[in-house]
Amino acid sequence: EAGVVQSPRYKIIEKKQPVAFWCNPISGHNTLYWYLQNLGQGPELLIRYENEEAVDDSQLPKDRFSAERLKGVDSTLKIQPAELGDSAVYLCASSRGANPISYNEQFFGPGTRLTVL
Amino acid sequence: RKEVEQDPGPFNVPEGATVAFNCTYSNSASQSFFWYRQDCRKEPKLLMSVYSSGNEDGRFTAQLNRASQYISLLIRDSKLSDSATYLCVAEWGSGTYKYIFGTGTRLKVLA
Repeated sequence: EAGVVQSPRYKIIEKKQPVAFWCNPISGHNTLYWYLQNLGQGPELLIRYENEEAVDDSQLPKDRFSAERLKGVDSTLKIQPAELGDSAVYLCASSRGANPISYNEQFFGPGTRLTVL
Repeated sequence: RKEVEQDPGPFNVPEGATVAFNCTYSNSASQSFFWYRQDCRKEPKLLMSVYSSGNEDGRFTAQLNRASQYISLLIRDSKLSDSATYLCVAEWGSGTYKYIFGTGTRLKVLA
């Protein structure tokens, strides 16, 4: 079974430029998460989708970040414009969702390492 | 108080040693807990879920202490390959499906 796929793996942009990340979750996984991870920190949730619905976007900086999950499968996370402080690893994860506990086990993609110059 | 708190370490232990990590969580309503392993510059990988009664997977044992609001991970007979960062995860409340990650505990197993 294929894991969570993310692209690109690395991205270097200048500040104020736009950038987009793509994620394809594990087949059959209804829940999709986008996380941001800074060096030496744990992943921090940006947004969670149940199918195509964004059910928790309270941590998403909506002035510059946007996300979509059309058709409830692939998802795209966009930053426009990027700032120096956005440099981090952006991780996508998926899970089956709901009960039992094992359905909430999250599987992560390799992440996109963003550097903003 | 942080929502999920871990000792960042590093824990430096010799091969074959037993090592234990604790992780405290602040939301008493939390029901779901996990341990993830993260290698340097890699994504987190699920190590094990933590069940109320405690659970074991080979050399790894996870325990939950609701009264004191902490979970633990015990690694027996440490291997060099166990060197990694171990992330504790707790659901924020019950049925929220919002998971809070700790900052991780770094383990280095020495030959």
